[in-house]
Amino acid sequence: GAVVSQHPSWVICKSGTSVKIECRSLDFQATTMFWYRQFPKQSLMLMATSNEGSKATYEQGVEKDKFLINHASLTLSTLTVTSAHPEDSSFYICSALMTSGMADTQYFGPGTRLTVL
Amino acid sequence: AQKITQTQPGMFVQEKEAVTLDCTYDTSDPSYGLFWYKQPSSGEMIFLIYQGSYDQQNATEGRYSLNFQKARKSANLVISASQLGDSAMYFCAMREGRTNAGKSTFGDGTTLTVKP
Repeated sequence: GAVVSQHPSWVICKSGTSVKIECRSLDFQATTMFWYRQFPKQSLMLMATSNEGSKATYEQGVEKDKFLINHASLTLSTLTVTSAHPEDSSFYICSALMTSGMADTQYFGPGTRLTVL
Repeated sequence: AQKITQTQPGMFVQEKEAVTLDCTYDTSDPSYGLFWYKQPSSGEMIFLIYQGSYDQQNATEGRYSLNFQKARKSANLVISASQLGDSAMYFCAMREGRTNAGKSTFGDGTTLTVKP
């Protein structure tokens, strides 16, 4: 099966610091990865689409300077939350797209719980 | 208008019984894909089943089947012989078009609780 890992699984940081979250597709190559944010008991909110070798595409209302995305290889995308504040505390989930025509399927990482003090 | 609607915030089912989780969608694109994901309390999103808009038969994967009614724009998930481990949040998702960069729209989810 398709496996996507995320690191770290949880992180606590002080307000004003930056936090980097890694997303890796372990057994397939993914030219496209996605970053989501999820609040408790709510749906996933797409933040940005990460494309290997090019700039990420951000959804409306998401600050690209606040949430830096780098997709440097076909198996790794990183999300850096810069100058984190308590309101950035959330569950961040990445997914990697396995391409197979219309049946392209997103496989998700286990998520990263960020707490900003 | 919401593209994916899951009208059941919470559902209960007795162990070993079947349960149907509702999902309706809205699109004018003739080409689309529908997905169901399971999210247990650990947080990981687990892919369950896929149905393409041109698929003639309903998708099945083990105890999961998708009741696809194209004219009614519904894609309900049926879980047969429920197990305690099925307790989780379930999300319906849709991807429109053949070149939509793979982006999917997710419903608000249904929390399923399996009772012993």
